[in-house]
Amino acid sequence: GQSLEQPSEVTAVEGAIVQINCTYQTSGFYGLSWYQQHDGGAPTFLSYNGLDGLEETGRFSSFLSRSDSYGYLLLQELQMKDSASYFCAAPTGGFKTIFGAGTRLFVKA
Amino acid sequence: GAVVSQHPSRVICKSGTSVKIECRSLDFQATTMFWYRQFPKQSLMLMATSNEGSKATYEQGVEKDKFLINHASLTLSTLTVTSAHPEDSSFYICSARPNTGTGGARGYTFGSGTRLTVV
Repeated sequence: GQSLEQPSEVTAVEGAIVQINCTYQTSGFYGLSWYQQHDGGAPTFLSYNGLDGLEETGRFSSFLSRSDSYGYLLLQELQMKDSASYFCAAPTGGFKTIFGAGTRLFVKA
Repeated sequence: GAVVSQHPSRVICKSGTSVKIECRSLDFQATTMFWYRQFPKQSLMLMATSNEGSKATYEQGVEKDKFLINHASLTLSTLTVTSAHPEDSSFYICSARPNTGTGGARGYTFGSGTRLTVV
């Protein structure tokens, strides 16, 4: 089957750095994406890794290791507004995308 | 950037009635759109793939006669929840990617979602 595993919750303080991990099992691999979703809102695209290594986009970075079927999202200089759910997602054949269960990030002052 | 508009954002309907949700790509054409369902504090579950000019492809366990999908143009897909019941209450979200450009396996653009409550 196809699945993506990520922690259900993470708590961190404002200004800190937090890492959200994602391990995946897919038939065919086309890259790993990360999305942010605030309560009641739609997911918004954050980052994508098609190849191994680190992708940096401002305060957010994402890493992929295809040999380990593993990736992570790194959030730096945490702000209160970063409190949200974060989903790793993997495109599959036919352009469908499957999502992990999501990690709720709580940022405390 | 690519924008997907979804309407309505919220709808309350009586049990047994039908509800139509629209998903429009505003500044790009999309041969394929996707419909997801999300229950509170859960992940997005793909319901079906909407294909312009042909039948939708439904995921296992999704009733095609209950969730009717029409993709009549390159910019519009509709999801109709027929004979809605309280258990159909959920957050429905569509997504799409441009036919051209470097979209590929990168991020898809999501509509703003529709909160359906069946009473």
